[in-house]
Amino acid sequence: NAGVTQTPKFQVLKTGQSMTLQCAQDMNHNSMYWYRQDPGMGLRLIYYSASEGTTDKGEVPNGYNVSRLNKREFSLRLESAAPSQTSVYFCASSESPSLDTQYFGPGTRLTVL
Amino acid sequence: KNEVEQSPQNLTAQEGEFITINCSYSVGISALHWLQQHPGGGIVSLFMLSSGKKKHGRLIATINIQEKHSSLHITASHPRDSAVYICAVSNSGYALNFGKGTSLLVTP
Repeated sequence: NAGVTQTPKFQVLKTGQSMTLQCAQDMNHNSMYWYRQDPGMGLRLIYYSASEGTTDKGEVPNGYNVSRLNKREFSLRLESAAPSQTSVYFCASSESPSLDTQYFGPGTRLTVL
Repeated sequence: KNEVEQSPQNLTAQEGEFITINCSYSVGISALHWLQQHPGGGIVSLFMLSSGKKKHGRLIATINIQEKHSSLHITASHPRDSAVYICAVSNSGYALNFGKGTSLLVTP
């Protein structure tokens, strides 16, 4: 079991470029999440998918889009990257929303110049 | 939004010491989570609790629902316990609200 995997691990973008962060889980979990982590701040929820076929905005969704491709995969897209999106991005999954343990991927460190 | 406050922000301890990290929150919750983040970034869930106390090895987590407060204790601390410990709370919705973390350094 790989758990939650994320690609890429590191990425440098120029302002205005686009990219997609990939996340996959092999635990047959229903719910998946994208967080960002910035220095001096707690993890903040960008988007989540409570179950396959549904997605909802979290606390900081502006500038991002998501796709729940199937039960395993949940991608995060930056259409036009901005320096404010420089952060570490974590994907997580859980069997069900809220009341279950969340399992985190290793993170993607993104720098936008 | 449920405000989550952790204390202390930073903690240095000598190997073998008993460590306590505190978490308080502002609004009633359905569950509280303790997570560990090692240097290098990986985040691991340690506990999820909605009442009482849980123990795993040298780690103990307690919660007082009436006082809106939780503590994470580490007994016989070891340098490998050095990490950031994060408290997060969930309400009936889907989102977790996270504290900013407590950075723990255990020296030999």
